Amino acid sequence: NAGVTQTPKFRILKIGQSMTLQCTQDMNHNYMYWYRQDPGMGLKLIYYSVGAGITDKGEVPNGYNVSRSTTEDFPLRLELAAPSQTSVYFCASSAGTSGFFSYEQYFGPGTRLTVT
Amino acid sequence: AQKVTQAQTEISVVEKEDVTLDCVYETRDTTYYLFWYKQPPSGELVFLIRRNSFDEQNEISGRYSWNFQKSTSSFNFTITASQVVDSAVYFCALVGRGQNFVFGPGTRLSVLP
Repeated sequence: NAGVTQTPKFRILKIGQSMTLQCTQDMNHNYMYWYRQDPGMGLKLIYYSVGAGITDKGEVPNGYNVSRSTTEDFPLRLELAAPSQTSVYFCASSAGTSGFFSYEQYFGPGTRLTVT
Repeated sequence: AQKVTQAQTEISVVEKEDVTLDCVYETRDTTYYLFWYKQPPSGELVFLIRRNSFDEQNEISGRYSWNFQKSTSSFNFTITASQVVDSAVYFCALVGRGQNFVFGPGTRLSVLP
């Protein structure tokens, strides 16, 4: 199993550009998440999904969009990139079928994004 | 609102010393889960342990142990006989019924040879 994979690993964007961060998991997990980690800080939840076709906002959703058309994929879209979106982005997935996020999350390797 | 506090920003110890990483949480939920994750210099996050709010038993796994005390809302993590490979940032996290994972700011542990 590859676990959770993310592409690209690094990206530099100009202000106003858009891009999609890809995330795929092969563990058949229902739940998937996107986090951002700013330097020296903990992780903040951007969006999450409890299954294909279902997404919801986390703590810091502004400036981002997600979709979940399959169980495996959970892309994160940045529209009109801003310097404040410079961060490391982590995708994660977890098992579980209840409405309670009690299961441990498996993380991808992260995408380091710089917006200049 | 839920909150996780890790008051120790950075800790340095010499190899073979014991070290305890503190985690204090706030939640109004009666059912919740607590986690510890490790982020080594390579950057990936590695799951270490999960504990639910109804299970206050301490846990030991090799050199790692965890002390959960609901009375003080703490979930502390101790590494015994630390090793250089333990150098990492350690995050404590909380999830309640609100379905939002809340991570603490992390504690950077440096184990010196």
